[in-house]
Amino acid sequence: DAKTTQPNSMESNEEEPVHLPCNHSTISGTDYIHWYRQLPSQGPEYVIHGLTSNVNNRMASLAIAEDRKSSTLILHRATLRDAAVYYCIRGSQGNLIFGKGTKLSVKP
Amino acid sequence: GAVVSQHPSRVICKSGTSVKIECRSLDFQATTMFWYRQFPKQSLMLMATSNEGSKATYEQGVEKDKFLINHASLTLSTLTVTSAHPEDSSFYICSARDAEQGVYSSPLHFGNGTRLTVT
Repeated sequence: DAKTTQPNSMESNEEEPVHLPCNHSTISGTDYIHWYRQLPSQGPEYVIHGLTSNVNNRMASLAIAEDRKSSTLILHRATLRDAAVYYCIRGSQGNLIFGKGTKLSVKP
Repeated sequence: GAVVSQHPSRVICKSGTSVKIECRSLDFQATTMFWYRQFPKQSLMLMATSNEGSKATYEQGVEKDKFLINHASLTLSTLTVTSAHPEDSSFYICSARDAEQGVYSSPLHFGNGTRLTVT
């Protein structure tokens, strides 16, 4: 049980921001929120993770709701290379349980 | 950045034979590695947790005698699919976490996967 809910698919235009939502309403206080993405026929790639505060790195930003029941991954300017399946994962025991993720399509 | 190398990337074997997949952490040490399996158009499914110097922990429904895991060093874990059958054809992916980083907060580093086809 992945314990997160994400839309099956989303579309974006190239060079526009993308907001990928994730619901984790049963999250516990020690669960981190991790985001990974996977391109076809490749292993997942780490994107970002956080616990309570919003996080930024060179790839993306992670906005975490104050009650921590939801979060949003923000790609500031989508490129064609960002087309992938994005997984939002709650992690508290060292391993990561993947859900179905959101398939992001980016249109030129 | 941290790199996990997985080998081979692709393998075809005959039914009844065994196949070994290697997973190496190239620039960090990993006391724990994880093995996942992914069928077409599905998500990753955790198969087992590989612990250096001790027995692996298998997820429910994964046959430990069929999927042999060895984690003999801090940089190498192997998965052997024994007596492979066509239904074992899948994309196998390993991952590892840097032993010097926090267990609950640090990212997992994934290999690029092994495409196994059993004929």
